[in-house]
Amino acid sequence: EVQLVESGGGLVQPGGSLRLSCAASGFTVSSNYMSWVRQAPGKGLEWVSVIYTGGNPNYADSVKGRFTISRDNSKNTLYLQMSSLRGEDTAVYYCATLRGRGFDSWGQGTLVTVSS
Amino acid sequence: QTVVTQEPSLSVSPGGTVTLTCGLSSGSVSTSYYPSWYQQTPGQAPRTLIYSTNSRSSGVPDRFSGSILGNKAALTVTGAQADDESDYYCVLYMGSGIWVFGGGTKLTVL
Repeated sequence: EVQLVESGGGLVQPGGSLRLSCAASGFTVSSNYMSWVRQAPGKGLEWVSVIYTGGNPNYADSVKGRFTISRDNSKNTLYLQMSSLRGEDTAVYYCATLRGRGFDSWGQGTLVTVSS
Repeated sequence: QTVVTQEPSLSVSPGGTVTLTCGLSSGSVSTSYYPSWYQQTPGQAPRTLIYSTNSRSSGVPDRFSGSILGNKAALTVTGAQADDESDYYCVLYMGSGIWVFGGGTKLTVL
């Protein structure tokens, strides 16, 4: 059974940094396209980043240059390193697998709050 | 900037049929955008319903179907049930490793 468990969220000050983790089981992270999607409180879903099987990443314009997606194959874990955080980055962050250019399995999410 | 459009809200009677759509602010949606659909209830993670226009995700009842209708992607719910009351999101693959979500449709079953 595919399972994704996010962690690492919390309260951080504007301008600060945070690293989110997504521990996977039931499949191999490095053999799948993986993505991060976020949802601000009371708002809709927003795609954030993708990492392909070859390791190439891509980012939404809203986070480009501030966020870095990566994975640790030995730990079967996906990461999102977030820096220069802003209030508008406050959201629940979900990791998800990709299938057919759409999102497939989802984690339960981790809340990031950017506030002083 | 590309905007993906969805009806903000729709309602359906129990047992009825409703179609949610997913369009573009400029242009037509085709299968080349690999439209997919997600259901989300408050406080829960999204649940994948449809990917690649009309492929049903594992465990999704066949009451949910995806298609292209005119210049939009569509999600049709037939035989609506009370627990179909949720927010529904579509996402389009814009190419070059970019995805854009619609603003979501709040479906009420009453």
